[in-house]
Amino acid sequence: AQKVTQAQTEISVVEKEDVTLDCVYETRDTTYYLFWYKQPPSGELVFLIRRNSFDEQNEISGRYSWNFQKSTSSFNFTITASQVVDSAVYFCALSIGGSQGNLIFGKGTKLSVKP
Amino acid sequence: DAGVTQSPTHLIKTRGQHVTLRCSPISGHKSVSWYQQVLGQGPQFIFQYYEKEERGRGNFPDRFSARQFPNYSSELNVNALLLGDSALYLCASSPKPWESGKRGSGANVLTFGAGSRLTVL
Repeated sequence: AQKVTQAQTEISVVEKEDVTLDCVYETRDTTYYLFWYKQPPSGELVFLIRRNSFDEQNEISGRYSWNFQKSTSSFNFTITASQVVDSAVYFCALSIGGSQGNLIFGKGTKLSVKP
Repeated sequence: DAGVTQSPTHLIKTRGQHVTLRCSPISGHKSVSWYQQVLGQGPQFIFQYYEKEERGRGNFPDRFSARQFPNYSSELNVNALLLGDSALYLCASSPKPWESGKRGSGANVLTFGAGSRLTVL
Protein backbone atom coordinates (compact mmCIF):
# COMPACT_ATOMS: atom_id res chain seq x y z
CA ALA A 1 0.00 0.00 0.00
CA GLN A 2 1.08 3.52 -0.67
CA LYS A 3 1.24 6.00 2.17
CA VAL A 4 2.71 9.38 3.06
CA THR A 5 3.36 10.33 6.66
CA GLN A 6 3.96 13.85 7.89
CA ALA A 7 4.46 13.35 11.59
CA GLN A 8 4.61 17.05 12.44
CA THR A 9 1.08 18.39 12.68
CA GLU A 10 2.01 21.96 13.58
CA ILE A 11 5.26 23.87 13.82
CA SER A 12 5.71 27.38 15.13
CA VAL A 13 8.91 29.35 14.61
CA VAL A 14 10.06 32.92 14.87
CA GLU A 15 10.98 34.77 11.72
CA LYS A 16 14.51 34.09 10.41
CA GLU A 17 14.68 30.67 12.04
CA ASP A 18 15.37 27.65 9.84
CA VAL A 19 12.69 24.95 9.84
CA THR A 20 12.56 21.42 8.45
CA LEU A 21 9.34 19.66 7.50
CA ASP A 22 9.54 15.88 7.54
CA CYS A 23 8.00 13.50 5.03
CA VAL A 24 8.21 9.70 5.03
CA TYR A 25 6.63 7.66 2.26
CA GLU A 26 5.80 4.01 1.64
CA THR A 27 5.57 2.27 -1.72
CA ARG A 28 6.72 -0.97 -3.28
CA ASP A 29 6.97 0.60 -6.70
CA THR A 30 10.44 1.35 -7.97
CA THR A 31 9.25 4.24 -10.15
CA TYR A 32 7.44 7.00 -8.38
CA TYR A 33 7.37 10.75 -7.96
CA LEU A 34 7.36 12.87 -4.84
CA PHE A 35 5.92 16.35 -4.54
CA TRP A 36 5.63 19.18 -2.10
CA TYR A 37 2.71 21.59 -2.22
CA LYS A 38 1.97 24.68 -0.15
CA GLN A 39 -1.58 25.62 0.86
CA PRO A 40 -1.96 29.20 2.09
CA PRO A 41 -5.17 30.28 3.85
CA SER A 42 -6.74 31.02 0.47
CA GLY A 43 -6.96 27.27 -0.04
CA GLU A 44 -5.27 26.85 -3.41
CA LEU A 45 -2.51 24.26 -3.48
CA VAL A 46 0.70 25.72 -4.87
CA PHE A 47 3.27 23.40 -6.41
CA LEU A 48 6.79 23.65 -4.97
CA ILE A 49 8.82 20.71 -6.25
CA ARG A 50 8.64 17.35 -8.04
CA ARG A 51 11.30 14.66 -7.72
CA ASN A 52 11.38 11.22 -9.39
CA SER A 53 12.61 8.10 -7.66
CA PHE A 54 15.75 7.88 -9.77
CA ASP A 55 17.02 11.31 -8.89
CA GLU A 56 18.35 11.50 -5.35
CA GLN A 57 20.13 14.79 -5.82
CA ASN A 58 19.22 17.35 -3.24
CA GLU A 59 17.81 20.58 -4.56
CA ILE A 60 18.05 24.16 -3.45
CA SER A 61 15.79 26.93 -4.68
CA GLY A 62 16.36 30.22 -2.94
CA ARG A 63 15.48 29.74 0.72
CA TYR A 64 13.99 26.31 0.03
CA SER A 65 15.89 23.03 -0.06
CA TRP A 66 14.86 19.40 -0.31
CA ASN A 67 16.65 16.29 0.93
CA PHE A 68 15.57 13.04 -0.78
CA GLN A 69 16.89 9.82 0.76
CA LYS A 70 15.61 6.53 -0.67
CA SER A 71 17.42 4.57 2.03
CA THR A 72 15.12 6.06 4.65
CA SER A 73 12.15 6.73 2.32
CA SER A 74 12.22 10.37 3.27
CA PHE A 75 11.80 13.60 1.35
CA ASN A 76 12.32 16.44 3.80
CA PHE A 77 11.84 20.12 3.11
CA THR A 78 13.85 22.89 4.74
CA ILE A 79 13.07 26.60 4.75
CA THR A 80 16.05 28.75 5.60
CA ALA A 81 15.55 32.13 7.28
CA SER A 82 11.79 31.70 7.45
CA GLN A 83 9.48 34.63 6.77
CA VAL A 84 5.94 35.39 7.85
CA VAL A 85 4.77 34.77 4.27
CA ASP A 86 5.92 31.16 4.60
CA SER A 87 3.03 30.54 7.01
CA ALA A 88 0.85 27.90 5.39
CA VAL A 89 0.05 24.21 5.42
CA TYR A 90 2.63 22.16 3.56
CA PHE A 91 1.78 18.81 1.98
CA CYS A 92 4.06 16.06 0.82
CA ALA A 93 2.57 13.77 -1.85
CA LEU A 94 3.42 10.56 -3.72
CA SER A 95 2.48 9.49 -7.25
CA ILE A 96 2.94 5.94 -8.55
CA GLY A 97 1.33 6.14 -11.99
CA GLY A 98 -1.36 4.12 -13.76
CA SER A 99 -4.92 4.49 -12.55
CA GLN A 100 -3.43 5.38 -9.22
CA GLY A 101 -1.30 8.00 -10.87
CA ASN A 102 -2.85 10.73 -8.90
CA LEU A 103 -1.39 12.14 -5.76
CA ILE A 104 -1.45 10.46 -2.38
CA PHE A 105 -1.12 13.25 0.16
CA GLY A 106 0.11 13.31 3.70
CA LYS A 107 -1.99 15.04 6.33
CA GLY A 108 0.06 18.19 6.09
CA THR A 109 2.18 20.27 8.44
CA LYS A 110 0.88 23.67 9.48
CA LEU A 111 3.75 26.12 9.69
CA SER A 112 3.30 29.36 11.59
CA VAL A 113 6.07 31.92 11.31
CA LYS A 114 5.77 34.69 13.87
CA PRO A 115 7.40 38.10 13.47
CA ASP B 1 -3.17 33.00 -18.61
CA ALA B 2 -6.12 31.75 -16.61
CA GLY B 3 -5.42 29.03 -14.10
CA VAL B 4 -7.81 26.30 -13.05
CA THR B 5 -11.17 27.86 -12.29
CA GLN B 6 -13.83 26.33 -10.10
CA SER B 7 -17.40 27.29 -9.34
CA PRO B 8 -19.12 27.93 -7.11
CA THR B 9 -16.57 29.00 -4.52
CA HIS B 10 -18.88 28.42 -1.58
CA LEU B 11 -22.21 26.69 -1.22
CA ILE B 12 -24.47 25.42 1.50
CA LYS B 13 -26.74 22.42 1.07
CA THR B 14 -28.88 20.29 3.35
CA ARG B 15 -28.70 16.56 3.85
CA GLY B 16 -30.20 14.56 1.02
CA GLN B 17 -29.74 17.26 -1.59
CA HIS B 18 -27.65 17.03 -4.71
CA VAL B 19 -24.72 19.26 -5.70
CA THR B 20 -22.84 19.92 -8.95
CA LEU B 21 -19.37 21.45 -8.90
CA ARG B 22 -17.68 22.73 -12.01
CA CYS B 23 -14.08 23.02 -13.14
CA SER B 24 -12.34 24.56 -16.12
CA PRO B 25 -8.77 23.36 -16.66
CA ILE B 26 -5.81 25.36 -17.84
CA SER B 27 -5.92 25.87 -21.58
CA GLY B 28 -4.22 22.93 -23.27
CA HIS B 29 -4.64 20.59 -20.32
CA LYS B 30 -6.69 17.52 -21.15
CA SER B 31 -6.70 15.76 -17.80
CA VAL B 32 -8.81 16.78 -14.83
CA SER B 33 -8.72 15.30 -11.35
CA TRP B 34 -10.98 15.86 -8.37
CA TYR B 35 -9.96 15.77 -4.73
CA GLN B 36 -11.87 16.07 -1.48
CA GLN B 37 -10.17 17.84 1.42
CA VAL B 38 -11.84 17.52 4.79
CA LEU B 39 -10.83 20.14 7.34
CA GLY B 40 -7.46 19.34 8.87
CA GLN B 41 -6.64 16.56 6.41
CA GLY B 42 -4.76 16.18 3.16
CA PRO B 43 -6.68 16.02 -0.12
CA GLN B 44 -8.11 12.63 -1.06
CA PHE B 45 -8.35 11.52 -4.69
CA ILE B 46 -11.87 11.10 -6.06
CA PHE B 47 -11.65 10.90 -9.87
CA GLN B 48 -9.39 11.46 -12.82
CA TYR B 49 -10.63 12.07 -16.35
CA TYR B 50 -8.68 12.26 -19.57
CA GLU B 51 -10.15 12.78 -23.02
CA LYS B 52 -13.64 12.41 -21.53
CA GLU B 53 -12.90 8.97 -20.12
CA GLU B 54 -12.57 8.02 -16.48
CA ARG B 55 -8.96 7.02 -15.85
CA GLY B 56 -9.03 6.53 -12.13
CA ARG B 57 -11.38 6.44 -9.19
CA GLY B 58 -10.65 6.74 -5.51
CA ASN B 59 -12.41 5.05 -2.63
CA PHE B 60 -15.63 7.03 -2.71
CA PRO B 61 -19.25 5.77 -2.81
CA ASP B 62 -21.35 5.70 -5.95
CA ARG B 63 -23.08 8.88 -4.80
CA PHE B 64 -20.06 10.61 -6.29
CA SER B 65 -19.89 10.84 -10.06
CA ALA B 66 -18.15 13.03 -12.60
CA ARG B 67 -17.83 13.67 -16.27
CA GLN B 68 -15.62 15.56 -18.65
CA PHE B 69 -16.86 17.55 -21.61
CA PRO B 70 -15.39 17.95 -25.12
CA ASN B 71 -13.82 21.25 -24.07
CA TYR B 72 -12.10 19.34 -21.20
CA SER B 73 -14.08 21.08 -18.48
CA SER B 74 -15.51 18.81 -15.83
CA GLU B 75 -18.36 18.42 -13.37
CA LEU B 76 -18.40 16.61 -10.08
CA ASN B 77 -21.80 15.49 -8.86
CA VAL B 78 -22.66 14.31 -5.38
CA ASN B 79 -26.09 12.85 -4.66
CA ALA B 80 -27.89 12.30 -1.34
CA LEU B 81 -25.54 14.60 0.53
CA LEU B 82 -24.38 13.61 4.00
CA LEU B 83 -22.96 15.80 6.73
CA GLY B 84 -19.61 14.10 6.14
CA ASP B 85 -19.51 15.42 2.58
CA SER B 86 -18.74 18.88 3.95
CA ALA B 87 -15.30 19.66 2.59
CA LEU B 88 -13.22 21.68 0.18
CA TYR B 89 -13.45 20.10 -3.27
CA LEU B 90 -10.37 20.71 -5.35
CA CYS B 91 -10.02 20.35 -9.07
CA ALA B 92 -6.62 19.93 -10.68
CA SER B 93 -5.55 19.83 -14.29
CA SER B 94 -2.51 18.50 -16.11
CA PRO B 95 -1.59 17.95 -19.75
CA LYS B 96 -2.24 14.21 -19.50
CA PRO B 97 -2.12 11.39 -16.97
CA TRP B 98 1.07 9.59 -16.15
CA GLU B 99 1.04 6.28 -18.00
CA SER B 100 3.51 4.36 -15.89
CA GLY B 101 5.50 1.85 -17.92
CA LYS B 102 5.26 3.93 -21.05
CA ARG B 103 8.59 5.22 -22.26
CA GLY B 104 8.88 8.94 -21.94
CA SER B 105 5.87 9.24 -19.68
CA GLY B 106 6.21 10.80 -16.29
CA ALA B 107 4.12 12.32 -13.58
CA ASN B 108 2.96 15.74 -14.62
CA VAL B 109 2.56 18.50 -12.11
CA LEU B 110 -1.07 18.94 -11.10
CA THR B 111 -2.20 22.56 -11.05
CA PHE B 112 -4.98 23.10 -8.57
CA GLY B 113 -7.88 25.50 -8.47
CA ALA B 114 -8.92 27.41 -5.37
CA GLY B 115 -11.66 24.89 -4.62
CA SER B 116 -15.36 24.82 -3.89
CA ARG B 117 -16.19 24.80 -0.21
CA LEU B 118 -19.29 22.72 0.42
CA THR B 119 -21.13 22.87 3.72
CA VAL B 120 -23.86 20.29 4.34
CA LEU B 121 -26.31 21.13 7.13
